[in-house]
Amino acid sequence: DAKTTQPPSMDCAEGRAANLPCNHSTISGNEYVYWYRQIHSQGPQYIIHGLKNNETNEMASLIITEDRKSSTLILPHATLRDTAVYYCPGTNAGKSTFGDGTTLTVKP
Amino acid sequence: DAGITQSPRHKVTETGTPVTLRCHQTENHRYMYWYRQDPGHGLRLIHYSYGVKDTDKGEVSDGYSVSRSKTEDFLLTLESATSSQTSVYFCAISESGHVNTEAFFGQGTRLTVV
Repeated sequence: DAKTTQPPSMDCAEGRAANLPCNHSTISGNEYVYWYRQIHSQGPQYIIHGLKNNETNEMASLIITEDRKSSTLILPHATLRDTAVYYCPGTNAGKSTFGDGTTLTVKP
Repeated sequence: DAGITQSPRHKVTETGTPVTLRCHQTENHRYMYWYRQDPGHGLRLIHYSYGVKDTDKGEVSDGYSVSRSKTEDFLLTLESATSSQTSVYFCAISESGHVNTEAFFGQGTRLTVV
């Protein structure tokens, strides 16, 4: 089982990079790191995932430390529409667990 | 967007009455999940299914039952609704049950028990 820890809230200025950390020190060697976000009580939406290497897609970049104990989700140019709760799920009994996540507020 | 439809989207019911929420998918994914989300908190797994008629409990299963008679439909039933079950319920699907699998979520059902 992998327990994840995220800060409860973060602020970011519009146009700036938002860097959201996740600690997953108990992650297994073959478990991917996933990130989701939830905008205003909609269903969570997949953002990105990775195993060891850094990953980038049209939404975000994911930086995973070499020891895989933590990762950072990067929104390179945050917009107001990126205000949301961001989850880095852990695992329990083989199933993903979504804690309280990080509430990111992008401010004008 | 993944083809997941939850119904109803909103429901108000009285304490002690039975309630059934429906999740319908068009993706033919094997795994389906029901989560609840209380204000200001993350999602907690209620029950999940790994195939037709194959279901298992999650971390907060008391007071809930589920059924899956078809691949595309996963029903969540509150046998006798209580005020503590007032919550937003999300259905999710995934191709496999391995944690290394992307999950797709429905838009949620807001249930109020009065």
